[in-house]
Amino acid sequence: QVQLQESGPGLVNPSQTLSLTCTVSGGSISSGTYYWSWIRQPAGKGLEWIGQIFTSGSTTYNPSLKSRVTISIDTSTNQFSLKMSSVTAADTAVYYCARRMGGTSNFAYWGQGTLVTVSS
Amino acid sequence: QSALTQPASVSGSPGQSITISCTGTSSDVGGYNYVSWFQHYPGKVPKLMIYDVTNRPSGVSNRFSGSKSGNTASLTISGLQAEDEADYYCTSYTSSTSWVFGGGTKLTVL
Repeated sequence: QVQLQESGPGLVNPSQTLSLTCTVSGGSISSGTYYWSWIRQPAGKGLEWIGQIFTSGSTTYNPSLKSRVTISIDTSTNQFSLKMSSVTAADTAVYYCARRMGGTSNFAYWGQGTLVTVSS
Repeated sequence: QSALTQPASVSGSPGQSITISCTGTSSDVGGYNYVSWFQHYPGKVPKLMIYDVTNRPSGVSNRFSGSKSGNTASLTISGLQAEDEADYYCTSYTSSTSWVFGGGTKLTVL
């Protein structure tokens, strides 16, 4: 059974860079045709797709966040990461990592989520 | 990209059926059969209920079904139960090769 777990600082200063890592267990991050995504949910608001990465390193980002977001993958550690620059209070949210099966909209596996607060 | 449009809330009595709509455009919902629905209890992890418009993952009750007509996808829950009370979100693939979510619908079981 695949499991995903987010990790990273829970507090980030405004204008700084938010960095999160998702560790995948129960399977290789490089096996199969899967896309590895980041999704967030600000308090009291809906879900927002941030972006995704394929095993090859190919990335796709939410157009509204593209200028500030970088997603990378490290197959040697079975992890993928999110970096979001120039954060503001509006970036305060629960951040989830998730796996989607390629060629489908099957987002079956999600991490537990981690709360990131942007505040000084 | 604009969020997909969902009703803010829907309600129904136990045993009844309800339908939640998810309206987009021809560049997302209407253009692709890549629509999913998630059930989300506050503080918990979103659970996939429907994918590729109509497919139900293993373990999901057959009381949940999905459909699409034009630019609107729908999630129908039949035989409503108290445990179905949650937030529901749709998501769709877009022509920008990205994904967009709906604003979410709060389901209340009366």
